[in-house]
Amino acid sequence: GAGVSQSPSNKVTEKGKDVELRCDPISGHTALYWYRQSLGQGLEFLIYFQGNSAPDKSGLPSDRFSAERTGGSVSTLTIQRTQQEDSAVYLCASSLRTKNTGELFFGEGSRLTVL
Amino acid sequence: GESVGLHLPTLSVQEGDNSIINCAYSNSASDYFIWYKQESGKGPQFIIDIRSNMDKRQGQRVTVLLNKTVKHLSLQIAATQPGDSAVYFCAENYKLSFGAGTTVTVRA
Repeated sequence: GAGVSQSPSNKVTEKGKDVELRCDPISGHTALYWYRQSLGQGLEFLIYFQGNSAPDKSGLPSDRFSAERTGGSVSTLTIQRTQQEDSAVYLCASSLRTKNTGELFFGEGSRLTVL
Repeated sequence: GESVGLHLPTLSVQEGDNSIINCAYSNSASDYFIWYKQESGKGPQFIIDIRSNMDKRQGQRVTVLLNKTVKHLSLQIAATQPGDSAVYFCAENYKLSFGAGTTVTVRA
């Protein structure tokens, strides 16, 4: 596709359930980022993938959060045993460059609501 | 610690006036900066970038100024339009988190 695609665009789940959020980056982009944005807040870094290197997981808030990037392309962010404080918009971005040295292309985000 | 922050969380501007959004950074080693715009319900979009070997860079209706002495950059929007209403973020290279942004509201 022409841009970064995220799915689902909206997800409502019950506390304690697991959720998976998907990101399709722009073809050829080696860098992929996940961010979390709570209402009225900035972008909180979660995890960064670069090529075949080990991901930078330093932003993951707890061990309930994990992410994979298969084949250097599609990425899935998994939140286990969701809590109400996990409610936020989860944004994915991709880039040709490494470690935020170039323009990030963002998807529209996945809005997660935990009841 | 390192931080990238915006001076004001909100800015209200009369349509047609110029807007100035400010950002301070603390890492003197930062050499690349980007401004993003986020409209309601959308992901952030690139506006303009600047490298540390420049003091000023102009785009279409936007100008970014970089003052390395005081570690400050600003985004100027000329003749602000209703479509400029959004949240604006500054970002610096190698720092992966963004600040809270400045919400710009354009008054008709």
